[in-house]
Amino acid sequence: ELKVEQNPLFLSMQEGKNYTIYCNYSTTSDRLYWYRQDPGKSLESLFVLLSNGAVKQEGRLMASLDTKARLSTLHITAAVHDLSATYFCAVFQGGSEKLVFGKGTKLTVNP
Amino acid sequence: DTAVSQTPKYLVTQMGNDKSIKCEQNLGHDTMYWYKQDSKKFLKIMFSYNNKELIINETVPNRFSPKSPDKAHLNLHINSLELGDSAVYFCASSPGQGWMNTEAFFGQGTRLTVV
Repeated sequence: ELKVEQNPLFLSMQEGKNYTIYCNYSTTSDRLYWYRQDPGKSLESLFVLLSNGAVKQEGRLMASLDTKARLSTLHITAAVHDLSATYFCAVFQGGSEKLVFGKGTKLTVNP
Repeated sequence: DTAVSQTPKYLVTQMGNDKSIKCEQNLGHDTMYWYKQDSKKFLKIMFSYNNKELIINETVPNRFSPKSPDKAHLNLHINSLELGDSAVYFCASSPGQGWMNTEAFFGQGTRLTVV
């Protein structure tokens, strides 16, 4: 059974600082996704990572995937208040259509 | 034009009632899902359909019954609602097996409150 672990679960940081959110998963998968959720809203797709070594960047966010280590990272550069949200990683369980989510990281960026 | 749409957005009902949530996607995807998000924001898959066929049925009380009349629609019917059913229910769709980019797109969610 695929397990997806994110850490930290809560992250409070100051504007302008850098930080990384980690996503570990327990079984082989070649498909990993990062989503953002604002309070009371739906999930917005941020990144799709489909191969070992994949790196994607959008603005102040950069995601990477190491399938051998079963690890993905979401790096935040020079955080701004608008990045405050909950970030989820999700991994497809091999051989099924099951997308398994981590518990989410609630990010608060303080002025 | 909304890609995955759910109705209703909010649903408040009494214990013991039966209710339905509807979901439609206009993306031409083959696979649709229901996820439950609890008060701690944990997202857990409940069901998945591929081309109207049930392919994932997690450990969910049989009071929950999904129905897919066609591949663009996946409805969720809940019988004898209980307080613990209060949550946000998300519908999602993805292209399906055989597609490398199986990114899932989510509806806006239905906040169910059982009183």
